[in-house]
Amino acid sequence: ETGVTQTPRHLVMGMTNKKSLKCEQHLGHNAMYWYKQSAKKPLELMFVYSLEERVENNSVPSRFSPECPNSSHLFLHLHTLQPEDSALYLCASSQTVGGLQPQHFGDGTRLSIL
Amino acid sequence: GENVEQHPSTLSVQEGDSAVIKCTYSDSASNYFPWYKQELGKGPQLIIDIRSNVGEKKDQRIAVTLNKTAKHFSLHITETQPEDSAVYFCAASNTGFQKLVFGTGTRLLVSP
Repeated sequence: ETGVTQTPRHLVMGMTNKKSLKCEQHLGHNAMYWYKQSAKKPLELMFVYSLEERVENNSVPSRFSPECPNSSHLFLHLHTLQPEDSALYLCASSQTVGGLQPQHFGDGTRLSIL
Repeated sequence: GENVEQHPSTLSVQEGDSAVIKCTYSDSASNYFPWYKQELGKGPQLIIDIRSNVGEKKDQRIAVTLNKTAKHFSLHITETQPEDSAVYFCAASNTGFQKLVFGTGTRLLVSP
């Protein structure tokens, strides 16, 4: 079983739909992250959670709403997205947010906005 | 804030050759430098990392070097194999808050 699991792997939605991305980590980590990966751009950090508390919101539009019910699960709720939001959304986890801990990534959700 | 530049954007080598990918960073407080490999349809996978208290780290065919004075670090892959073909990302962060800043990636193609 992989350390960080993301579902669904692919998602196609219209601009008026509401959907959610799910991430689950099996590594016993206390920190979880959402990243956006677009072609020819560096990974963009979106949100950071530490022990279910949001510690970073990197100027992300409100149409993206994260939720962290416990330290193993992370959701990204999507509503009224724009075509430029089409990208690969990656979830990651690490032991803590401080210190020199590596981040472990899931395989992402490929999101396409029609 | 931190800025990480990565070169080259694409790199083609023959199987058995060595490959070198270089990154520079701007924040002198950065002290943790991981490298990730991303294969098609997969998420980035950590392959090696280095902390600022060492200048070089090696793991089999992969090595990373760090020059804190010049603020650059490099990934070296020796005896490349076709399965090394992927996109490689460098990143930098500091101890205070582990906000990884990534480079734009290098697409490595190893031809048999």
